[in-house]
Amino acid sequence: QKEVEQDPGPLSVPEGAIVSLNCTYSNSAFQYFMWYRQYSRKGPELLMYTYSSGNKEDGRFTAQVDKSSKYISLFIRDSQPSDSATYLCAMRHNNDMRFGAGTRLTVKP
Amino acid sequence: GAVVSQHPSWVICKSGTSVKIECRSLDFQATTMFWYRQFPKQSLMLMATSNEGSKATYEQGVEKDKFLINHASLTLSTLTVTSAHPEDSSFYICSAREDVGLFGYTFGSGTRLTVV
Repeated sequence: QKEVEQDPGPLSVPEGAIVSLNCTYSNSAFQYFMWYRQYSRKGPELLMYTYSSGNKEDGRFTAQVDKSSKYISLFIRDSQPSDSATYLCAMRHNNDMRFGAGTRLTVKP
Repeated sequence: GAVVSQHPSWVICKSGTSVKIECRSLDFQATTMFWYRQFPKQSLMLMATSNEGSKATYEQGVEKDKFLINHASLTLSTLTVTSAHPEDSSFYICSAREDVGLFGYTFGSGTRLTVV
């Protein structure tokens, strides 16, 4: 079993749809949870981060962490074609950071 | 926000030659930098962790003599791929962590290495 599981997709949605991206993990020591967005042939850019369980909202993006279920989610409301990218979940304990495989998202106009 | 500059963005080299990739933190000091490798449609794989002024810590299966890492200052880490072979062709990405502040790390823009 991988430490971090993420469905690689691809996921294709129409513009304006609500997108739900998810990851599960096995290491309960992870404390920090991040979502990165990576455009083709670019480095990942930090989109959102949360500490421990709970929700965090930033514009059209909402990150959720459920530590009891070892499950994290990223919701994108009113998705736009510019949101088309690969989204990687990441989680960290001290210097140990692990990434999901990334989900390729395409938002069609 | 924190910015990490990685150079070059792409490089083509002949088999058997060495290639150096630079990673700089532009507006913060990074005591720790990380080097990743990413194959097409796959996730980031941590290769090594470099700490300023000390030897890098390599992940299992990564040849330290092939992938030389130097973290000579708080703002610069370099990765040298020695005696490169076609199977070393990949996307290499560095990231850096500030001592305080961000929970996540800031990534460079990546270097696409093609060995012919």
